[in-house]
Amino acid sequence: QSALTQPASVSGSPGQSITISCTGTNSDVGSYNLVSWYQHHPGKAPKLIIYEAIKRPSGVSNRFSGSKSGNTASLTISGLQTEDESDYYCSSYVGGSTLMFGGGTKLTVL
Amino acid sequence: QVQLVQSGSELKNPGASVKISCKASGYTFNTYGVIWVRQAPGQGLEWMGWIKTNSGNPTYAQGFTGRFVFSLDTSVSTAYLQISSLKAEDTAIYYCARRSSTWYSDYWGQGTLVTVSS
Repeated sequence: QSALTQPASVSGSPGQSITISCTGTNSDVGSYNLVSWYQHHPGKAPKLIIYEAIKRPSGVSNRFSGSKSGNTASLTISGLQTEDESDYYCSSYVGGSTLMFGGGTKLTVL
Repeated sequence: QVQLVQSGSELKNPGASVKISCKASGYTFNTYGVIWVRQAPGQGLEWMGWIKTNSGNPTYAQGFTGRFVFSLDTSVSTAYLQISSLKAEDTAIYYCARRSSTWYSDYWGQGTLVTVSS
């Protein structure tokens, strides 16, 4: 199974909004609302920012939001801040008691 | 507070074995699974598999069968990842995390760097 497809990089200016897509198939993303998003600064532990496709853990800024349509899940970050610059990964349950990550997206805040 | 604390960095020769620990605290250990994730240098996160903490039953992702073994010591709320016959390409940071019933991981270990080099 290949990784879920994410753009390798996205960029935006402070205050802008960006969206990162995570495309799978009708066997994984399309079949389950079990998509999570993680923010990962290299060398640190990944941080959960969205779970069950649209839910935000307590303590995570409401500038982060998730959505899903068909085989594609999306993470939107509004009001970009310099501290949002990081790597972002989606993950999805893919059946058979297994999970898969996306390839990761590097967000640059210009 | 919930914590997952992993063992320290390891430097191993090719062909050796390594066993990484992941000690959980702040919650009932057998109510959440433990996943293992690898990040090789310059690469993304890769799901290695997970272990059911109420049964010890492991599930391995493709590419992580044979040399990789997940185990538990529930008496000390600790999960282990053992890698045998180490190769240079096993050089990576290995993370453990607790797995919720809906497949998200809200708490992660700090990561363990394994370097395989002669």
